[in-house]
Order: sequence, then structure tokens, then C-alpha cells
Amino acid sequence: GENVEQHPSTLSVQEGDSAVIKCTYSDSASNYFPWYKQELGKRPQLIIDIRSNVGEKKDQRIAVTLNKTAKHFSLHITETQPEDSAVYFCAASGWGGGNKLTFGTGTQLKVEL
Amino acid sequence: GAVVSQHPSRVICKSGTSVKIECRSLDFQATTMFWYRQFPKKSLMLMATSNEGSKATYEQGVEKDKFLINHASLTLSTLTVTSAHPEDSSFYICSAPFSGSHLNEQFFGPGTRLTVL
Repeated sequence: GENVEQHPSTLSVQEGDSAVIKCTYSDSASNYFPWYKQELGKRPQLIIDIRSNVGEKKDQRIAVTLNKTAKHFSLHITETQPEDSAVYFCAASGWGGGNKLTFGTGTQLKVEL
Repeated sequence: GAVVSQHPSRVICKSGTSVKIECRSLDFQATTMFWYRQFPKKSLMLMATSNEGSKATYEQGVEKDKFLINHASLTLSTLTVTSAHPEDSSFYICSAPFSGSHLNEQFFGPGTRLTVL
């Protein structure tokens, strides 16, 4: 089955700086890579996603890049704000897995004033 | 947009009792739903895939007789934790793919916090 690794587990940045979170996956058949933000006790919220036919996608301060050959994808948050503080999860899925999501281990992002 | 609800949001029960959690797709039909479990400060771990009209598919290591899943209709899946024990205390979240959105996108329920005393 799919295995998704995520780094770092914790990330502390100053307000206004950029934050980068990286994930690798093992199943070359995976074709959908979402990123979720989860606040304590809440459901995961989709913040951005990318499909395997695209190398990069951007939505305001958030961007995701995908390298299919190396099987890794990254989340980039620019101009971080205190409200960006949360746990971020990457995930991967594909038709071969019945669309089920395999999550990374999560990154606790803390944006300090 | 697609909305998934869960009930109850929080439940406390005694050890040995059974607890049922409902997951509903409110404005779309879902032939498949997914059940996840999340321990504190950990990731979401897929427990099983709930299939409308057929048996659920369980992930390796998940006891099917302990975690009963029933996908009774195109909008409802239930997870029953049987003979619950303190180690079953966790955050249980369901999700459903919405075919009206782009492929694969999952919509998550708000989760159920289970505490077994």
C-alpha cells in the first residue's frame, strides 16, 4: 500500500516568513495530493490540492509543488500569519487505492509574533 | 458545497458498552465513505472503507468484529465500536468523496470524540 512521509514534524517561523513542509510517497500510481489544515479538535480542512498531471499550483499565499519522478511534493506558505498556526497534513490517493487517502504524519506549524 | 455531518460529536461511555457513530452526507449521495481514527497529536489512520450495499473493507490490523460498519443508504454510514475499552478512546472522523467536485476530493465530517471510562 501507499506510504507517505512528512517532514518536519514541528516548524516554528516568525510572522511574515515563509514555511515549507515536504512529503514523499511510495506508490507511483497515486495521482491526487491534497494538503489539510487541522485545528485542535476540528475536522481537517482542505487548503490546496494538486493532481499528478500538474507540477505546481498556487492559491494566494499557498502553493504546492509536485515532482512525480522523485515522488515528493511540498507545501509553501508565504507571508505567514499567526492564524496559520495549526497542524498540516499531506495525503495521497489514487484510483488503484479506491480513492482512499493515506496521510502523512503531520507538521505542527507555529507562527510567532 | 458538499456537507458531511457526524453524530454524536462527543460521547463518554463505560468500558464494555457499544457506541454507534453516524456519518451522513447531507446534500449528496455517497456510495463510499471512509472511517478514520486519530489519536492525540497523531495523524489520521484509515480504519475501513464503507461501501453502500456491500461489506466494508477493513485496513490491516483493524478488527472487523470490533468495529462494525453498516452503509445502510446512499447518505448514511454507521460505525459501531463494540465492547469499548479505554484504548478505543479516540477521535473518529468519517469522509465521503463528492463526485460533483473534482475527482478524489474528500469531504470530512466534524468528528466524534469517544472517551471510554
